[in-house]
Amino acid sequence: SAVISQKPSRDICQRGTSLTIQCQVDSQVTMMFWYRQQPGQSLTLIATANQGSEATYESGFVIDKFPISRPNLTFSTLTVSNMSPEDSSIYLCSVEIQGDEQYFGPGTRLTVT
Amino acid sequence: SQQGEEDPQALSIQEGENATMNCSYKTSINNLQWYRQNSGRGLVHLILIRSNEREKHSGRLRVTLDTSKKSSSLLITASRAADTASYFCATDAVQGAQKLVFGQGTRLTINP
Repeated sequence: SAVISQKPSRDICQRGTSLTIQCQVDSQVTMMFWYRQQPGQSLTLIATANQGSEATYESGFVIDKFPISRPNLTFSTLTVSNMSPEDSSIYLCSVEIQGDEQYFGPGTRLTVT
Repeated sequence: SQQGEEDPQALSIQEGENATMNCSYKTSINNLQWYRQNSGRGLVHLILIRSNEREKHSGRLRVTLDTSKKSSSLLITASRAADTASYFCATDAVQGAQKLVFGQGTRLTINP
């Protein structure tokens, strides 16, 4: 498995502001992903963070709202821009290692007021 | 849209009993993974079963996969209070894409 950390673990933000979430892995990984989990819901994939190129976004998610950086094989950031209360969710990064197994970070709990 | 449907949505049993959760999916898969989530925290990877496997064990966990029925089950034997959590199945629905599609989850409560 991999040790994955996220910062911050939680935050309360005002609408209209932006928050950048960091994801750090203790080993180099090719595939990193960002997911959103809205209250009481399951996880939905936001995008695949590609090292050295633009992220690949899923339907319903756009770069202007969720810009992603992946400067190297151990680190990625997700920014939630121009936040509204509907963005209140848990945001999780994941990495794929050991074949197809995906491991998740502890998540960032975001509340937008 | 979600690939998986999980059944039941909630399950409450006594400590020591076995808990069975089911997951159904819609498209062909490469593999299916089960995760546990405690109180809205991060997901803990439990087990991965590949499409050419029918059963896998890990400690008190037993996972089955029936690709003809597009379904999987997770059995937790001799449940403990610490098993109280939400359990999710996730499939990679598109070959080579490595993207996980999650079911809605089963909320398991173990009563002491």
